[in-house]
Amino acid sequence: AQTVTQSQPEMSVQEAETVTLSCTYDTSESDYYLFWYKQPPSRQMILVIRQEAYKQQNATENRFSVNFQKAAKSFSLKISDSQLGDAAMYFCAYRASYSGNTPLVFGKGTRLSVIA
Amino acid sequence: NAGVTQTPKFQVLKTGQSMTLQCAQDMNHEYMSWYRQDPGMGLRLIHYSVGAGITDQGEVPNGYNVSRSTTEDFPLRLLSAAPSQTSVYFCASSYSYGGGRNYGYTFGSGTRLTVV
Repeated sequence: AQTVTQSQPEMSVQEAETVTLSCTYDTSESDYYLFWYKQPPSRQMILVIRQEAYKQQNATENRFSVNFQKAAKSFSLKISDSQLGDAAMYFCAYRASYSGNTPLVFGKGTRLSVIA
Repeated sequence: NAGVTQTPKFQVLKTGQSMTLQCAQDMNHEYMSWYRQDPGMGLRLIHYSVGAGITDQGEVPNGYNVSRSTTEDFPLRLLSAAPSQTSVYFCASSYSYGGGRNYGYTFGSGTRLTVV
């Protein structure tokens, strides 16, 4: 079974600085997708960024970027120029890409605090 | 607005009562699922469905029942509520395979359920 591990339960960053959240996963599949979701205090789950495993180029969405290391099964999220609104719980998630029985598997989350 | 509509947002039940959490999506997604979120546990899969008439169990199915009579709707039934079912519940939908499409989940806004 696939597993996702987020080794940092909590992190903090100064406003305008850069922070990196770690994620590792375990799978025997070669084709899959990886995601980072943000959950602010409103509890809404918001997709931040996604990465297809067959793509070598790291995904980027504005201030958010990933460092995808397929061989190491690592998928870290970098937040640049941190803002107060970035404070939230962040979940890393994995999904195999074959059709049918492919639920999203989540890590336990990293709570990010942003210090003004 | 297109998306996943989940009701109610809050609910308090007495032990032994039953209730149904409603979930509807208008994106023609094949895949729908229910998760529960507990502190320190991340999101755990309760039940999922890959299409109308097809459902299956996830990681924590005991005490819950689902059905999928239409593509749009995927209600979650609590048969006899217990304090251990106090949690935040999320419904989510997606395409059932990637193929270059956005393979991530679209989440409902969540239901905070308290069983006393």
